[in-house]
Amino acid sequence: NAGVTQTPKFQVLKTGQSMTLQCAQDMNHNSMYWYRQDPGMGLRLIYYSASEGTTDKGEVPNGYNVSRLNKREFSLRLESAAPSQTSVYFCASSVPQHRDPSNQPQHFGDGTRLSIL
Amino acid sequence: QKEVEQNSGPLSVPEGAIASLNCTYSDRGSQSFFWYRQYSGKSPELIMSIYSNGDKEDGRFTAQLNKASQYVSLLIRDSQPSDSATYLCAVNLLIKAAGNKLTFGGGTRVLVKP
Repeated sequence: NAGVTQTPKFQVLKTGQSMTLQCAQDMNHNSMYWYRQDPGMGLRLIYYSASEGTTDKGEVPNGYNVSRLNKREFSLRLESAAPSQTSVYFCASSVPQHRDPSNQPQHFGDGTRLSIL
Repeated sequence: QKEVEQNSGPLSVPEGAIASLNCTYSDRGSQSFFWYRQYSGKSPELIMSIYSNGDKEDGRFTAQLNKASQYVSLLIRDSQPSDSATYLCAVNLLIKAAGNKLTFGGGTRVLVKP
């Protein structure tokens, strides 16, 4: 039972480098999300994909791009990394419970710890 | 005012006592409410969900929802050292409808002392 798998688990980048964080889920969930978590800031939504083929901005999208490659995979790309993007990144997925779109508990991957020097 | 607000803690609780965590939210039309537990260095783990006013019990956990007062709480009975973690409140805010976006509070850190 893999659930939500994120790769890599750790990464160190230099300012200006690019990188793609990978996320895959095997629960046949429709929706997928990318969050960042910083001390004292809680979880903040970067981008989300309500269904295959759609993506939308969240609370803090600047400096990021996403691709919903298929129903299973949702990647997050940093085109030109900045020290302010040092954070822990979580991917999550969800599916409506009892056909209620507002009733979608999210299930999280183990996170990627990203440091940008 | 933050959209979902929690006391950051730490909430220090003796082993065996009841830990009481509160969360308030800004949007009266919100429908779905979730509690997540996050151990240090780990990912959030769903422990409770609640959708209707009143209490919902699951083992040692009880979630309480009062939509009129716009708060949701979590009680942890017979607290154990293994309950020491940060507890995140998450709300599906109607104002941010797209049906499936959650807004998280900053979390309450709980310390259970033996």
